[in-house]
Amino acid sequence: DTEVTQTPKHLVMGMTNKKSLKCEQHMGHRAMYWYKQKAKKPPELMFVYSYEKLSINESVPSRFSPECPNSSLLNLHLHALQPEDSALYLCASSQDQGTSGKKSTDTQYFGPGTRLTVL
Amino acid sequence: GQNIDQPTEMTATEGAIVQINCTYQTSGFNGLFWYQQHAGEAPTFLSYNVLDGLEEKGRFSSFLSRSKGYSYLLLKELQMKDSASYLCAVRDPGGNTPLVFGKGTRLSVIA
Repeated sequence: DTEVTQTPKHLVMGMTNKKSLKCEQHMGHRAMYWYKQKAKKPPELMFVYSYEKLSINESVPSRFSPECPNSSLLNLHLHALQPEDSALYLCASSQDQGTSGKKSTDTQYFGPGTRLTVL
Repeated sequence: GQNIDQPTEMTATEGAIVQINCTYQTSGFNGLFWYQQHAGEAPTFLSYNVLDGLEEKGRFSSFLSRSKGYSYLLLKELQMKDSASYLCAVRDPGGNTPLVFGKGTRLSVIA
């Protein structure tokens, strides 16, 4: 089983709203990722959690706030977003965030994404 | 620095073979991944190379030459459903981010 689930599938929000994106995996993976993807562009890394601790923050604005309540769950809290934040938000997980050079530990598996529209 | 190059778009005929190239310049190398992404959907893992040579998986094969900083994805017996973007991504242990993605190659399969 290589399933990563994300909710909601679609989200429309105003610039003053507060919402959260959720991601879940039950593969025992210890690294989880948030990516942002605009149309016809590759995924851009936002955050990485490794063993439930934030290990990478790619200088993401504070209106995006990640949270990792436990090893299976990853949330992205949204507040005061801008229209340019509209994008596909992808969650991914991998067995580890290490540098083993092994397919088994380094392969990232992506969830279906949340299509976010900010009005 | 980190740089990954792949063609922006390619078109091929149903039933044919297509090769999508990827060249990379990264400070380190610890594996190269190919992902397939249909429009509006998540990337799905296709293949992984860390040693030189060819990895075959059904209709898809991926090749790596570390000395040349070069990989290709070979798709045989093309089907219409293969129309998608193909993303090359490199694991660079010397960089800040776990995976460095190329911009992707949009493949259109025509009848």
